[in-house]
Amino acid sequence: DAGVTQSPTHLIKTRGQHVTLRCSPISGHKSVSWYQQVLGQGPQFIFQYYEKEERGRGNFPDRFSARQFPNYSSELNVNALLLGDSALYLCASSWGGRASLQETQYFGPGTRLLVL
Amino acid sequence: QQQVKQSPQSLIVQKGGIPIINCAYENTAFDYFPWYQQFPGKGPALLIAIRPDVSEKKEGRFTISFNKSAKQFSLHIMDSQPGDSATYFCAASPFSGGYNKLIFGAGTRLAVHP
Repeated sequence: DAGVTQSPTHLIKTRGQHVTLRCSPISGHKSVSWYQQVLGQGPQFIFQYYEKEERGRGNFPDRFSARQFPNYSSELNVNALLLGDSALYLCASSWGGRASLQETQYFGPGTRLLVL
Repeated sequence: QQQVKQSPQSLIVQKGGIPIINCAYENTAFDYFPWYQQFPGKGPALLIAIRPDVSEKKEGRFTISFNKSAKQFSLHIMDSQPGDSATYFCAASPFSGGYNKLIFGAGTRLAVHP
């Protein structure tokens, strides 16, 4: 069974550029969450999407945006990159069918972004 | 603002030892407490999770102890093996606004020596 897949695996950008990261959830999962993991720290929540709608947003600037497609895959976009955006970006998927239920979130391997 | 405090930052044990990782939280709205294991170059993988109505949960060699009144929870790894060497993250999740986000601790880097 395929787990959560993310692309690309690594990316190098320069300050001011824009980046798009992609995520495909586990088959049957309808919810995707994005997290940023800076080296040496725990992941920080950025967004959660369910059925193409944003369910929740973390404390990140408007330079960060995301969307979810009809096939439940998702993109995370970051504009005007800063050096501090260098991190591992993780995508997590869950079934998402019942918002009242705390569900297991399954993480992908991440995309490592380096901003120079 | 760090909402989940994790300690220690790093831990070294001998094979067969029982490493213990501790976490504390302040927000009483948290109602789900998972532990994740992360190997270098990989995403976090769920190990075990607990809800606040339970004081202890065991899955294989992994045990979570939960103290609701003290707002603390800990992970014990029984009979630790070199293959358990990884970074461990505790997390907490509040159910609010119709979605569940994970709030992670800073992580504990565990090394199990043969």
